Amino acid sequence: DAKTTQPTSMDCAEGRAANLPCNHSTISGNEYVYWYRQIHSQGPQYIIHGLKNNETNEMASLIITEDRKSSTLILPHATLRDTAVYYCIVRLRYNTDKLIFGTGTRLQVFP
Amino acid sequence: KAGVTQTPRYLIKTRGQQVTLSCSPISGHRSVSWYQQTPGQGLQFLFEYFSETQRNKGNFPGRFSGRQFSNSRSEMNVSTLELGDSALYLCASSLVGDRGKGDTEAFFGQGTRLTVV
Repeated sequence: DAKTTQPTSMDCAEGRAANLPCNHSTISGNEYVYWYRQIHSQGPQYIIHGLKNNETNEMASLIITEDRKSSTLILPHATLRDTAVYYCIVRLRYNTDKLIFGTGTRLQVFP
Repeated sequence: KAGVTQTPRYLIKTRGQQVTLSCSPISGHRSVSWYQQTPGQGLQFLFEYFSETQRNKGNFPGRFSGRQFSNSRSEMNVSTLELGDSALYLCASSLVGDRGKGDTEAFFGQGTRLTVV
């Protein structure tokens, strides 16, 4: 079973920030939080990952709470091309490629 | 550099047949994993390979099998196909297992869409 829970769907206006929450209350100390997204019928695309510090890259920012029980993915200026299903996953970073996907959040960006 | 390549992209098979899907990982990646995606069950982990050895296996029947070759290319096979095996099969590769060679995020291919009739 997935170790994360996410809202089923969210809407966001184009140009605004999209904030996607994720709960992972049973995360263990050596597990990382990874975010992927899947645009319709394509393979999932890696977005960002983090352990306990906030992270930022060219695609998004990841905010992890101090107790590490939840996180938020932020797309600072959403575009129509960001419409996708977003998956939050917790995993060990080095030992395995096994990803347990939950149902994800379907983000709809509207004009 | 080239991404993960899966062939074929589309496949139609008849119940009872078997099928082999192929995955070429990103150059230098020795870890390959496979996933099945269906509307009802979502994305589910099938198995992963590293240096020709199966490292992990998901909860699928023995009809689903895989292997990895010395060049890291991987194949998965499904025997005695059932209608419920219709799905998008995704392959991913990464540097997991090769510490110090870079980040370990998995890169996915575009998938093979299998239809069983």
